Parts: sequence; C-alpha cells; structure tokens
Amino acid sequence: DTAVSQTPKYLVTQMGNDKSIKCEQNLGHDTMYWYKQDSKKFLKIMFSYNNKELIINETVPNRFSPKSPDKAHLNLHINSLELGDSAVYFCASSQDRDLNQPQHFGDGTRLSIL
Amino acid sequence: KQEVTQIPAALSVPEGENLVLNCSFTDSAIYNLQWFRQDPGKGLTSLLLIQSSQREQTSGRLNASLDKSSGRSTLYIAASQPGDSATYLCAGTNTGNQFYFGTGTSLTVIP
Repeated sequence: DTAVSQTPKYLVTQMGNDKSIKCEQNLGHDTMYWYKQDSKKFLKIMFSYNNKELIINETVPNRFSPKSPDKAHLNLHINSLELGDSAVYFCASSQDRDLNQPQHFGDGTRLSIL
Repeated sequence: KQEVTQIPAALSVPEGENLVLNCSFTDSAIYNLQWFRQDPGKGLTSLLLIQSSQREQTSGRLNASLDKSSGRSTLYIAASQPGDSATYLCAGTNTGNQFYFGTGTSLTVIP
C-alpha cells in the first residue's frame, strides 16, 4: 500500500564507494523528485523528472546521477561517496509537473559515510 | 537567492491551545506554498497546499494563509492535540520550478 517507497531505509558505507538508492511510486504520478535533508534538517531539492525527462537539476556534484527507467521509478546513483554526502535523502512524487499539485514523500534513506 | 525562515524554531504548548506557526520568504515572488509535517524518522506529509490563485486553505483544525505581497504565510492549528507533535515545514515554489523549504518549527503538545 506504500505510495512512495525507498530502499534501503539505512545505508552505511565507506568514503569512496559507489551506491544507489531506489525509489518507486504506485500513485500513477508523472513527476518524481529527489531531496537532500542535511543534519540541520534543511531540505533542498536535487532533481526532478517528468515522464522520465529531467526537468530540474539543481547545483549538485556530477557524482550524483539520477536514472528513471520508467515514470514510476527514479533511482539515485552516487559515485565516489564523500563525508559531506551523509544526509537523509527523500524521494517524492506529484501528479504532474504542475506546481499546484501536492507532493507525496517517501520515508527517506539515511546515508552515513564512514 | 530565496531564503525561507520559520518562526519559532521550537514551540511547546499544553494540549487544547490554539497556535500559529510563521513562515517568511526573502523574495515575495512566490507561486504557491505548501505546509508539511515531518514525524521523526519519516518523510514529509503534505498538510495544505495554497495554490497560485488562492490565499488560504483549510483542512479540519488547520488553516494556512499566504500573503504574497509580504512573502509571509501562517499555519494556524486549533485545539492542539498531542498527536500534532511533529516538525512543521513550509515550502514555496516560484514559476521557475524552484522549490524552497523553510528551516522548520518543532512542535510539542503536552498532554
């Protein structure tokens, strides 16, 4: 029944490794997002995809590469992980790219870099 | 650059009280505004969305208003309950698909 699901919920890994976080939504939405919430709880958008097409790409390092195999999935791959990447990453979706649509969030993936 | 401030950062009230949370934007060119709640270890739950043509939205005990001219929004919670305890975030968008989240207000409602 989970609308927006992310896996894994927790990810602990060493600096320099490459890791992926998966996101799936079963709401039939066209638009999906990735957000990063830092240790101070500040939330910032990273990427947005609409029907597998990238529409928002904020200033994030190119070590972060989103991949959308279909409109129900938006995965986040991170290369060469750094200490500063430690955060909670949230996936979200909305009906479409109309800004007047509410967003639905997953429960987050807590990434810890050792 | 848009900055979003939420006041107060933390609030503790006895059960049954009415309360107001505030959100302000440095750039008043806001397209719409959404209020969320975040429970510990969880994602965000959308509470109210004030669309571009609206000034306020109501849902149950919650009322949110948006004054675009001043770049301010308020979330009013009536008859607070312990289950309302959470962090409340406001988020505004501009027409360029930019999303800006506030710093959050941590609310504790004491039984």
